Amino acid sequence: SQQGEEDPQALSIQEGENATMNCSYKTSINNLQWYRQNSGRGLVHLILIRSNEREKHSGRLRVTLDTSKKSSSLLITASRAADTASYFCATDARGGSEKLVFGKGTKLTVNP
Amino acid sequence: DAGVIQSPRHEVTEMGQEVTLRCKPISGHNSLFWYRQTMMRGLELLIYFNNNVPIDDSGMPEDRFSAKMPNASFSTLKIQPSEPRDSAVYFCASSHGGYQETQYFGPGTRLLVL
Repeated sequence: SQQGEEDPQALSIQEGENATMNCSYKTSINNLQWYRQNSGRGLVHLILIRSNEREKHSGRLRVTLDTSKKSSSLLITASRAADTASYFCATDARGGSEKLVFGKGTKLTVNP
Repeated sequence: DAGVIQSPRHEVTEMGQEVTLRCKPISGHNSLFWYRQTMMRGLELLIYFNNNVPIDDSGMPEDRFSAKMPNASFSTLKIQPSEPRDSAVYFCASSHGGYQETQYFGPGTRLLVL
């Protein structure tokens, strides 16, 4: 399976701190995407990074991709209580069915 | 844009009953996905349509599940007969161009089968 695995499963920090979540996967990919899910809601796309990219920024988000280690990280800087949510990485296997496979997610709690 | 619309938002039914979930994708999107989310298994792709045609239904659990997309603006996921283990949140998502593009998720239907 090329399912992404997020680490840690849960993370609790104080407002203003940075939050780092990691994702590891097993097979070569075309793209890796990060999504956020607030409690009781659908997933919201955050950022897509292609296999030939190493780093991408969007506002307070920074995503890195290391294809040699088959891993990615999502950094949220200066976290806010509103960032409390579950964060999922999703990968599509190159040369395979290419369907997007989601990990189990990291549950982030930002305490005010 | 209203985003992806799903109905109902909540459904409680008894084992053996038929359940129909509905989805309206974002106008102009040509790809539609049905997912199921549970605590144990996470988010699983059930079926993927492209231009109203089912492309990948390998995630459909068994014959009790069926999905249709009669036109570009409507899709249904049907479970008949339903079982308690089908209890989950079912999400519909749409995108401009298949798996590799950003998927836009609906709010989900929370299904409880008693």
